[in-house]
Amino acid sequence: GAGVSQSPSNKVTEKGKDVELRCDPISGHTALYWYRQSLGQGLEFLIYFQGNSAPDKSGLPSDRFSAERTGGSVSTLTIQRTQQEDSAVYLCASRMGQSYEQYFGPGTRLTVT
Amino acid sequence: ELKVEQNPLFLSMQEEKNYTIYCNYSTTSDRLYWYRQDPGKSLESLFVLLSNGAVKQEGRLMASLDTKARLSTLHITAAVHDLSATYFCAVDPSGGSNYKLTFGKGTLLTVNP
Repeated sequence: GAGVSQSPSNKVTEKGKDVELRCDPISGHTALYWYRQSLGQGLEFLIYFQGNSAPDKSGLPSDRFSAERTGGSVSTLTIQRTQQEDSAVYLCASRMGQSYEQYFGPGTRLTVT
Repeated sequence: ELKVEQNPLFLSMQEEKNYTIYCNYSTTSDRLYWYRQDPGKSLESLFVLLSNGAVKQEGRLMASLDTKARLSTLHITAAVHDLSATYFCAVDPSGGSNYKLTFGKGTLLTVNP
């Protein structure tokens, strides 16, 4: 079946611009995660959505980062006023119910120039 | 703050040799994950270890978990070139149902003929 999909696969933006990254989880998966992978910081948790509950935003690095999940499915991660240190691969993962497994998407490589 | 430490970070092996990657973590957890990442690709789930003494094997890879020592190992038997990749361990410290993962820095494994 279809896995987690993310778009765009690559995004180059100028410093100070806003960007939106999209994640389509596996159908039926109620939990959705965003992680960031960068050379300096490795893989970091950003935000977690579970069903209709309030998201866990504890990993967001600054208030320039926000995310929403519409209809319990698609999620958008928005970065406002991008900075060069935001350059990274942004990975989305989804999980079904009480399963322990997280399935990762291919990621969006963000480059801020 | 949870810390997850992998060693070695770089591992160059010859084919047919055996080796072990170690993953230490700093807080109580019964959930330990191993992932594989090929260059430019996303994360592929290898193993999920859910209890003390858990051992799982797939092909030439075997993972184990000692929750008392806060240590997991990924043992590679008779390495082949196809195993060349970066291997990450990740820990979920929550004990609840969030499954937010904290990752180690990864071990870059190169298997040479």
